[in-house]
Amino acid sequence: KAGVTQTPRYLIKTRGQQVTLSCSPISGHRSVSWYQQTPGQGLQFLFEYFSETQRNKGNFPGRFSGRQFSNSRSEMNVSTLELGDSALYLCASNAAGGPNTGELFFGEGSRLTVL
Amino acid sequence: GENVEQHPSTLSVQEGDSAVIKCTYSDSASNYFPWYKQELGKGPQLIIDIRSNVGEKKDQRIAVTLNKTAKHFSLHITETQPEDSAVYFCAASNQAGTALIFGKGTTLSVSS
Repeated sequence: KAGVTQTPRYLIKTRGQQVTLSCSPISGHRSVSWYQQTPGQGLQFLFEYFSETQRNKGNFPGRFSGRQFSNSRSEMNVSTLELGDSALYLCASNAAGGPNTGELFFGEGSRLTVL
Repeated sequence: GENVEQHPSTLSVQEGDSAVIKCTYSDSASNYFPWYKQELGKGPQLIIDIRSNVGEKKDQRIAVTLNKTAKHFSLHITETQPEDSAVYFCAASNQAGTALIFGKGTTLSVSS
């Protein structure tokens, strides 16, 4: 069974640009969560989707957005990039009803560098 | 909002010693408390979890304890091995169950 796949794995952008990251969850998983990981802040929750609906959003500015498609694949977008957006963006999927019902399976992440 | 504090941020032990990582959470409605291990270049992986109706859970060399009254839970690793070296994260579910709130992580180094 394939794991969670995130693309691209690495990308470099400049300030002011926008970026779209993609996540393919494990087959059959309907809950997808996104996290931002930085050395000083650890794992910070961005948003969670279940059956194409955003059920929760973390404390991030409106420049961060996401969506989920009918096949459970998810994308997140960051517009008007800032230097502080440089981070590892992790996607995780869950087999049951959401993050508190069982294991989150994480992808290896998309490492974004903003110059 | 929900918050999870994790201590220590770094921990160095000798092979064979025990390691303890402690976390406190703020949301009294949290009912699910997993621990994740992240190795270099990989995504976090679940190593053990506990629910609010249980005080302690053990899996071989790893154990987790939960004190709901104090809103405190801990990870215990016994007989540490070099391959236990990694970053460990505790987490607590939010009230709606739609998010896990993570601590900032503990970098565990086990030297042989």
